Amino acid sequence: QSVLTQPPSVSGAPGQRVTISCTGSSSNIGAGYDVHWYQQVPGTAPKLVLHGNSNRPSGVPDRFSGSKSGTSAFLAISGLQADDEADYYCQSYDMRLSGAVFGGGTKLTVL
Amino acid sequence: QVQLVESGGGLVKPGGSLRLSCAASGFTFSDFYMSWIRQAPGKGLEWVSYISSSGSTIYYADSVKGRFTISRDNAKNSLYLQMNSLRAEDTAMYYCARGYKFAYIWGQGTLVTVSS
Repeated sequence: QSVLTQPPSVSGAPGQRVTISCTGSSSNIGAGYDVHWYQQVPGTAPKLVLHGNSNRPSGVPDRFSGSKSGTSAFLAISGLQADDEADYYCQSYDMRLSGAVFGGGTKLTVL
Repeated sequence: QVQLVESGGGLVKPGGSLRLSCAASGFTFSDFYMSWIRQAPGKGLEWVSYISSSGSTIYYADSVKGRFTISRDNAKNSLYLQMNSLRAEDTAMYYCARGYKFAYIWGQGTLVTVSS
């Protein structure tokens, strides 16, 4: 079981907005540690899409946004496009484990 | 451009050893913490190890502590992962990544298969 919990799958039609949740606990997200998000197209390496909860690396479109509240974080993708279809992983730090932890991943399907 | 290229993966028997390498280019390697992250087939991501820019600070996941050793050669812009006493559960794609709080840049990965 992953330390951070994500829904196994989400879906949306082109142009719609979807949100992926990432739920942790008082030893990671709830303790104030930043959450980062990665996109992984099957068969390729993960790619950072958000860091520090809501910061987009250069080249990531502003359709990707993030937020954090309490023990949860959220990745929102607006104006869904076909090439957004991928697995998305959240990541944070856990002070009890003294290391980085990932969510189990969420498969985004663009209908 | 910024690039990380892993090598050294392959098929190894349980109890065997393997050394992974990661060649960095396009940035000042000696300025950055570096990490190894793995992904078992069809599974999620696991942060395996990281090393500071000078090599003085090192972290290992509990799952590999005592069996894996991370190192770097800043003169050669290279990162390494020595893996000993390999187990079936170490079978995974191993990615080299820049950073330790989060992975800013990823390599394409090298596949390690532990099987008799």
